[in-house]
Amino acid sequence: DQQVKQNSPSLSVQEGRISILNCDYTNSMFDYFLWYKKYPAEGPTFLISISSIKDKNEDGRFTVFLNKSAKHLSLHIVPSQPGDSAVYFCAAFLTSGTYKYIFGTGTRLKVLA
Amino acid sequence: EAQVTQNPRYLITVTGKKLTVTCSQNMNHEYMSWYRQDPGLGLRQIYYSMNVEVTDKGDVPEGYKVSRKEKRNFPLILESPSPNQTSLYFCASSGRGRKDTEAFFGQGTRLTVV
Repeated sequence: DQQVKQNSPSLSVQEGRISILNCDYTNSMFDYFLWYKKYPAEGPTFLISISSIKDKNEDGRFTVFLNKSAKHLSLHIVPSQPGDSAVYFCAAFLTSGTYKYIFGTGTRLKVLA
Repeated sequence: EAQVTQNPRYLITVTGKKLTVTCSQNMNHEYMSWYRQDPGLGLRQIYYSMNVEVTDKGDVPEGYKVSRKEKRNFPLILESPSPNQTSLYFCASSGRGRKDTEAFFGQGTRLTVV
């Protein structure tokens, strides 16, 4: 039972354009949602997060949108740069009495120069 | 420098030979956890610890053990490794507060069981 889903295994975008990565979840009890970026041969690194009580969080070129009614979140990268090419993982976090981190399967983003 | 350190980075072993992958963090974090990454399956949580001597199962705990005797260390133990435990393993840590949801990951340990 995949509680966090990233249905697009890969995405290619031209440099300078917008990249939109999507994530769907099933459990309405999640408290936080996070995006991580992963380069080959490295551990994932935190990118941006959003509390379940918000619908948008912005940090420079990165914006995360949360649609609770649709149980959907998305990461927007504007403008996309070649250095953004990596695997992006969506994650959901339960805080009450536990420390359950549930990751999606990842989306490989390729930004074309 | 804030970091999570895993050792070894690469390990090839034979079926049934007990092994331990170490994980240490220098950020005084309460929470630590182990994940495995497999193609098409993303990162799956194996075990987590909310503090010293407090551990619990994640989504795929079978065949693994952990211990948390000190706050900084969280070793992963495979008592009798099998080929289906061949994977890329990550340790991670994070703080307790609501602002500390960000997890810091180690560099990974690539394990091959033959």
